[in-house]
Amino acid sequence: EVQLVESGGGLVQPGRSLRLSCAASGFTFDDYAMHWVRQAPGKGLEWVSGISWNSGSIGYADSVKGRFTISRDNAKNSLYLQMNSLRAEDTALYYCAKAPSAMVQGSFDYWGQGTLVTVSS
Amino acid sequence: AIRMTQSPSSLSASTGDRVTITCRASQGISSYLAWYQQKPGKAPKLLIYAASTLQSGVPSRFSGSGSGTDFTLTISCLQSEDFATYYCQQYYSYLMYTFGQGTKLEIK
Repeated sequence: EVQLVESGGGLVQPGRSLRLSCAASGFTFDDYAMHWVRQAPGKGLEWVSGISWNSGSIGYADSVKGRFTISRDNAKNSLYLQMNSLRAEDTALYYCAKAPSAMVQGSFDYWGQGTLVTVSS
Repeated sequence: AIRMTQSPSSLSASTGDRVTITCRASQGISSYLAWYQQKPGKAPKLLIYAASTLQSGVPSRFSGSGSGTDFTLTISCLQSEDFATYYCQQYYSYLMYTFGQGTKLEIK
């Protein structure tokens, strides 16, 4: 059974940093691309960032480009999102999502339950 | 960025009804479109990818169609568990993926 478990969320002041993690199990992690998708309270879904199986292809939404960094450790079956210079508008539930193939272009076939990031002074 | 517009934003229907949700892309996206279902407090669930391919385990009352700029999600016979919010997502624009604003399907 595919499982994605996010962690690392919390309350953080504007301008500070936070690192999210996603622990994957139930599938061969290094065979698949991975993504982060967020959802602000009461709002819709927003794709944040994606990374191919070997980290060779990486992309970011314009809203986070230059501030967020996605990475993965295939030996640890883990996905990360380093978030710097956080803003109030980054407040959201952050989901880790699995791609159906090694390539970043595609849908998201499994999702974690999310970790909540609140940016507030 | 490619803008995805869903209609309607909300919809009231009864169990057993046939409902259709529309998603329009601001430019052609071929068939690079997915549909998701999200229930309150839960993560989204993939229903359909490549515009019309049903994800494994999804009931056959769900179907998708369209290509280019206009797409539809149809639920042929609404069940109680289908009341949720539905999102379309384009993955045509490489690493610039966007979702529709969502359609909330409520019980009439």
